[in-house]
Amino acid sequence: QTVVTQEPSFSVSPGGTVTLTCGLSSGSVSTSYYPSWFHQTPGQAPRTLIYSTNTRSSGVPDRFSGSILGNKAALTITGAQADDESDYYCVLYMGSGTWVFGGGTKLTVL
Amino acid sequence: QLQLQESGPGLVKPSETLSLTCSVSGGSISSSSYYWGWIRQTPGKGLEWIGTIYYSGSTNYNPSLKSRVTISVDTSKNQFSLKLSSVTAADTAVYCCARSLRYPNYYMDVWGKGTTVTVSS
Repeated sequence: QTVVTQEPSFSVSPGGTVTLTCGLSSGSVSTSYYPSWFHQTPGQAPRTLIYSTNTRSSGVPDRFSGSILGNKAALTITGAQADDESDYYCVLYMGSGTWVFGGGTKLTVL
Repeated sequence: QLQLQESGPGLVKPSETLSLTCSVSGGSISSSSYYWGWIRQTPGKGLEWIGTIYYSGSTNYNPSLKSRVTISVDTSKNQFSLKLSSVTAADTAVYCCARSLRYPNYYMDVWGKGTTVTVSS
């Protein structure tokens, strides 16, 4: 069973920079997994921020960026704002129309 | 603008079958560019991908749920459905439908808001 790992929680100061990561229990995350990132606020539909490793979805501020760092996918938020406080999830494409979610990272901005 | 809306019973008895429908508006489900799928979120296990269907009817399921899951599509009604059999309390979750792009970018780009399903007698 493939397990996608994320930090359970992270804290960043307003205006600061934070990098969340997305790894695999065995193996490395590469662009071949088409890593994507989304966040979800209570009562709202999830919103995809980044897809295909580093492409921002329409309307997503450029303070959000995606990359591969070492053997993990990464989401970096530069100049964090209070309303960036949310749960962030990564999703990896495993091929043949199948996906696996990470456990999510609860980001606190304080 | 494409919108997805989940519907179905909010309460299901243990051992029965959970049935949900996702209605697609603002676009056609009969597009070769997309998969249509279901995800659920539970307090204990977080987010879990359940499965996807292509407009032709071909399906892909999470191996851990495959024996109990059926996803079907009705192109005439522009909707797709989820059935999960033999449910237990562990299937209590928020169920969400989503559209997933196919090649060259594989990701979920449009989501429904989700519907809460409780399994209880």
